[in-house]
Amino acid sequence: GAGVSQSPSNKVTEKGKDVELRCDPISGHTALYWYRQSLGQGLEFLIYFQGNSAPDKSGLPSDRFSAERTGGSVSTLTIQRTQQEDSAVYLCASSFRSYQPQHFGDGTRLSIL
Amino acid sequence: GNSVTQMEGPVTLSEEAFLTINCTYTATGYPSLFWYVQYPGEGLQLLLKATKADDKGSNKGFEATYRKETTSFHLEKGSVQVSDSAVYFCALSGVDGGSQGNLIFGKGTKLSVKP
Repeated sequence: GAGVSQSPSNKVTEKGKDVELRCDPISGHTALYWYRQSLGQGLEFLIYFQGNSAPDKSGLPSDRFSAERTGGSVSTLTIQRTQQEDSAVYLCASSFRSYQPQHFGDGTRLSIL
Repeated sequence: GNSVTQMEGPVTLSEEAFLTINCTYTATGYPSLFWYVQYPGEGLQLLLKATKADDKGSNKGFEATYRKETTSFHLEKGSVQVSDSAVYFCALSGVDGGSQGNLIFGKGTKLSVKP
């Protein structure tokens, strides 16, 4: 499809396990963002990629969170040693370049048991 | 710090009623302002935007005007429909010291429109 694609759509895992969430941005979009949507905190920015520049990781809540973007396209968000407070919907967005309107995927709903 | 405050919901209206959802912001510099909408079971969609003071964004009958003097970007619609039932998020980006374009969101306002 032409939109931002995220997988899996749902993920249930046990506390302490590692998880990987994937985002396929819209083709040609150079900027990619990860956000987290949770009941208590609303929508929070996590990390930003622009082309081949070093990512802005200022929104990552702890060092258990990391992300990479390979070849300027697909991105993977990794959460190590998951905790119950990591339960949330993780949203990916892309834009043609920085400051342009962002297009969101449907998100990955992560549940930590 | 930079932040967005929007009215708490839920908001329940009858069809054809007038809608206002208040949004105010705190930001350094000259941010761009946005309204995003999340329909039940769907992802976030951009509803409208404004990039400078006094700009009016509009889409699908919704409007919002960027008011720098009151740091506001209130969402309005003259006659709501059942299909407008959704969660509405006010957001800003492009503030000094922030990432290049990451969005700062309000908490969201849930709108329910009854027939």
